[in-house]
Amino acid sequence: EAGVAQSPRYKIIEKRQSVAFWCNPISGHATLYWYQQILGQGPKLLIQFQNNGVVDDSQLPKDRFSAERLKGVDSTLKIQPAKLEDSAVYLCASSLIRGQGTNEKLFFGSGTQLSVL
Amino acid sequence: QKEVEQDPGPLSVPEGAIVSLNCTYSNSAFQYFMWYRQYSRKGPELLMYTYSSGNKEDGRFTAQVDKSSKYISLFIRDSQPSDSATYLCAMSGPNQGGKLIFGQGTELSVKP
Repeated sequence: EAGVAQSPRYKIIEKRQSVAFWCNPISGHATLYWYQQILGQGPKLLIQFQNNGVVDDSQLPKDRFSAERLKGVDSTLKIQPAKLEDSAVYLCASSLIRGQGTNEKLFFGSGTQLSVL
Repeated sequence: QKEVEQDPGPLSVPEGAIVSLNCTYSNSAFQYFMWYRQYSRKGPELLMYTYSSGNKEDGRFTAQVDKSSKYISLFIRDSQPSDSATYLCAMSGPNQGGKLIFGQGTELSVKP
């Protein structure tokens, strides 16, 4: 079974530039997540989609971050303009369904490491 | 105060040692508790999952949850060099789906 695919693996940009990350979840997984992992910290949820609808984006800095999941499959996360503090690994994860009162196993991709100079 | 606290280590042990990793949390609503393992330049992978209080064992790994103390543990028996990784505890409350709150991770090194 193919895992969660992410690209690019690495990205270096200067502050105030824009950047986009791409994620392809495991086939058949309805729920897709973007997490931000700053060096030395645990991942933090940015946004959660179920199919192509947003379930939770309460921790997404909406003045500079945007995300979409067209057709309920692939997703892109964009940062515009980037700040130094956005340097982190951006992890995409997917799960089969969004359980009601239950938890689900999340499958993570290897992430995109972003460096903002 | 962070919702989930985890000693970042690093922790270095000899091969064959018993490893104990711990997290404390403040949100009494948490009822799903997980341990993820993250190798360098990889995404986290689920290692253990426990619902509510109690113990769960899987091979060399044992997860314990004490909700009364808001404390969870992961024990690794007969540790191997291949266990060298960062271990992240994660937890969530009811109806939270995949919104996990992670600890900052403990970096473990098992020396041959």
